[in-house]
Formats: sequence, structure tokens, C-alpha cells
Amino acid sequence: NAGVTQTPKFQVLKTGQSMTLQCAQDMNHNSMYWYRQDPGMGLRLIYYSASEGTTDKGEVPNGYNVSRLNKREFSLRLESAAPSQTSVYFCASKRRPGQDSNEQFFGPGTRLTVL
Amino acid sequence: TQLLEQSPQFLSIQEGENLTVYCNSSSVFSSLQWYRQEPGEGPVLLVTVVTGGEVKKLKRLTFQFGDARKDSSLHITAAQPGDTGLYLCAGPRMDTNAGKSTFGDGTTLTVKP
Repeated sequence: NAGVTQTPKFQVLKTGQSMTLQCAQDMNHNSMYWYRQDPGMGLRLIYYSASEGTTDKGEVPNGYNVSRLNKREFSLRLESAAPSQTSVYFCASKRRPGQDSNEQFFGPGTRLTVL
Repeated sequence: TQLLEQSPQFLSIQEGENLTVYCNSSSVFSSLQWYRQEPGEGPVLLVTVVTGGEVKKLKRLTFQFGDARKDSSLHITAAQPGDTGLYLCAGPRMDTNAGKSTFGDGTTLTVKP
């Protein structure tokens, strides 16, 4: 099993450009998440999808959109990139929502720089 | 407002020393997870604690969940250079959607040979 995979690993954008970050998991997990990680600020939730067909906003959703394409795939789109979106983006998955299974499995991250 | 506070933020010690990292909140958590993250990689789960007062051991690492489920600690005995990394605590607060977890800002540990 590959676990959680993310593409691309690195990306440089100019202000105003758009791009989509891809994430896929092969663990048959129901829930998927997008986080951003900035120096000294831990992980902040952008959007999440509790199950196929549903998406919800997290702490910092502005400037982003998501698509839960199917159970395996959850993409994050930046429509008009801004320098404040320079960060490392992590995708994660979890078996199912609920209090007894909160372990999340993370991908390797996408390092995005917006000039 | 930081909902999960971790301390210290940075810790640099010599191989063989012991250390404790703390994770504190004013909120009650249904469970807490501890993750370790190495440079250039995503976080990897170390342990989950669920019951107030619970203690779990993972080789030289001891994890404790506070009685009121508002805090947790990670103690490492005889630290080794391989323990170097960013340690994150996280969990779902009882007053929010159980599908979402709150993360602390992490403790960066460096163990020198």
C-alpha cells in the first residue's frame, strides 16, 4: 500500500496563478483532510471531507476550494494564488469520523511558494 | 487563541538525557494523539490516549493523558539522536465536530550525539 500520496512535491507560482494539489489514499478511508503548515504554527485545517460527497470548511478556508472526486481522491485548488499562501500543504486521511478512531495518516506534503 | 498549547517550543539536549514535553488546553478532548514529524515528511502517529489518567509506553516513550482529559505529556527516557524531530499533539475537542482535530504548534526536539 502506498498510503497517502500527494502531487506535486514542489511548486512555485506567481501571484494570481491557479493550481490544483492532488491527494489520493489507498486505505479505503472515509475521511480526508487538507492542512497547511507554516513555521511555528503547527497544522491548520483548510477543508475536510467526512465522507465521499461531503466537504466542510476548516479554520482557514479563504482562497481555497476542494473537490472530493471519489472515496480515494481529494483535491485542493488555489484559484488565484497569493504570497500568503506560501506554505507546506499536507493531505491526511482517517478511517471514519468518530471519537474512537482519530488517528490520521499523512502524505509527504507539497511545498508551495508564491512569488 | 491557541487551543492546544505545547511546551517547550524548542528543546536541545544531549544523548542520554531525559525530557518531558507538555500539551495543555482549557478544553476537554475525547482523545489525544501524539505525532512525530521529521524534516521534509508528514507527521506519523506515535500513540493515541483515550481514557483520563491513561498511561501508555512505547519503548523509551511514556505518554500520559490528564485525569480531566485537558492535558497530556510525553516523557522520553535516555534520548537518542533518532528521537530528533517535531512532536505534535492533536485531538478532537468534545465541543466540536468529532471528525476534526485541533493541533498544537509542536515541540522541536534536537538530541545531540
